[in-house]
Amino acid sequence: DAGVIQSPRHEVTEMGQEVTLRCKPISGHNSLFWYRQTMMRGLELLIYFNNNVPIDDSGMPEDRFSAKMPNASFSTLKIQPSEPRDSAVYFCASSLGLPRDEQFFGPGTRLTVL
Amino acid sequence: AQTVTQSQPEMSVQEAETVTLSCTYDTSESNYYLFWYKQPPSRQMILVIRQEAYKQQNATENRFSVNFQKAAKSFSLKISDSQLGDTAMYFCAFMKQTDDKIIFGKGTRLHILP
Repeated sequence: DAGVIQSPRHEVTEMGQEVTLRCKPISGHNSLFWYRQTMMRGLELLIYFNNNVPIDDSGMPEDRFSAKMPNASFSTLKIQPSEPRDSAVYFCASSLGLPRDEQFFGPGTRLTVL
Repeated sequence: AQTVTQSQPEMSVQEAETVTLSCTYDTSESNYYLFWYKQPPSRQMILVIRQEAYKQQNATENRFSVNFQKAAKSFSLKISDSQLGDTAMYFCAFMKQTDDKIIFGKGTRLHILP
């Protein structure tokens, strides 16, 4: 199994631009999670889906952030417009969705907003 | 709300020594799960060990073991015979039994010295 796949691995953009991060979960996994990691705030859960439905988006920082999961094998996290304070590593993780199952993390996308 | 506290931002030990990483948490839940995740320089998040709160026996995985003190809300990780490859950031994490959200501590950066 290829594991959780994220693209791009690195993204550098200018303030005000739209950024789209992509994630392909492990095949057969029903839950998908988006995290943000910064030095100041550590690892924070932004949103998670179960069977393609958003369950909890209370961690999404503001309306500039949106996430979609159009099917079981693909999810996007979009930031529009981006700001320098959005610079962070964004992780996607997936799990079988069974109660308290292990979450498998992707390699992350390092986002730099200039 | 649940919180996870790791009081040691950074530690260094010699190779082959034993090291213990501290973690405390706060919750009003009686049933929950605790985790230790490892994040090496490659940035990949890897589950090291997992403990169910209803189990009194401490979890072990090869050289990794935990000391789970439920009354004290303490969950420390012991690494025996430390190896250079153990150099990483270690995150303590909490999950309610009724939820899929993981709450992470801020992490402890561990250096294994040759």
